[in-house]
Amino acid sequence: EAGVVQSPRYKIIEKKQPVAFWCNPISGHNTLYWYRQNLGQGPELLIRYENEEAVDDSQLPKDRFSAERLKGVDSTLKIQPAELGDSAVYLCASSGSYEQYFGPGTRLTVT
Amino acid sequence: QKEVEQNSGPLSVPEGAIASLNCTYSDRGSQSFFWYRQYSGKSPELIMFIYSNGDKEDGRFTAQLNKASQYVSLLIRDSQPSDSATYLCAVMSDYKLSFGAGTTVTVRA
Repeated sequence: EAGVVQSPRYKIIEKKQPVAFWCNPISGHNTLYWYRQNLGQGPELLIRYENEEAVDDSQLPKDRFSAERLKGVDSTLKIQPAELGDSAVYLCASSGSYEQYFGPGTRLTVT
Repeated sequence: QKEVEQNSGPLSVPEGAIASLNCTYSDRGSQSFFWYRQYSGKSPELIMFIYSNGDKEDGRFTAQLNKASQYVSLLIRDSQPSDSATYLCAVMSDYKLSFGAGTTVTVRA
């Protein structure tokens, strides 16, 4: 069974530029999560989707972050414009029940 | 107060010894508890989950849960160098997973 797929794996951009991350969850998993992980910390939830619906986006900085999950499968997370403090690893996870499985992540560096 | 707290590391254990990792959580209504292993530069990998009070064993790993004390632990028996990683405790409440900062374990040969 294929795991969670994310791309790109690494991204370096200048501040104020836009950036987008893509995620393909495990087949059959209806729930999809985006997390941000800073160095030395655990992942922090940004947004949770149940199928196409964003059911928890309370931690998503909506002034610059947006996300979508068209057709309830793939998802895209966007940052526009990026700030220096956005440098982190962005993780996508999916679940079919309670257990969540993570993709490899995208390491974002904002210069 | 952080929602999930883990014992501060790093934790260094000799090969073959038992590594003991502890985690406490603040939300008494938490329902599910998970341990993830994260190698440097990699993403978290689920290694154990526990839902009921007591012990749950899987190979060399044992998770222990005490909801009354709001405490969950992970024991790694017969520690191997390949167990060297950061271990993240995660607690689920209302479908939201909250993570601790992790405890880094180093198994020395």
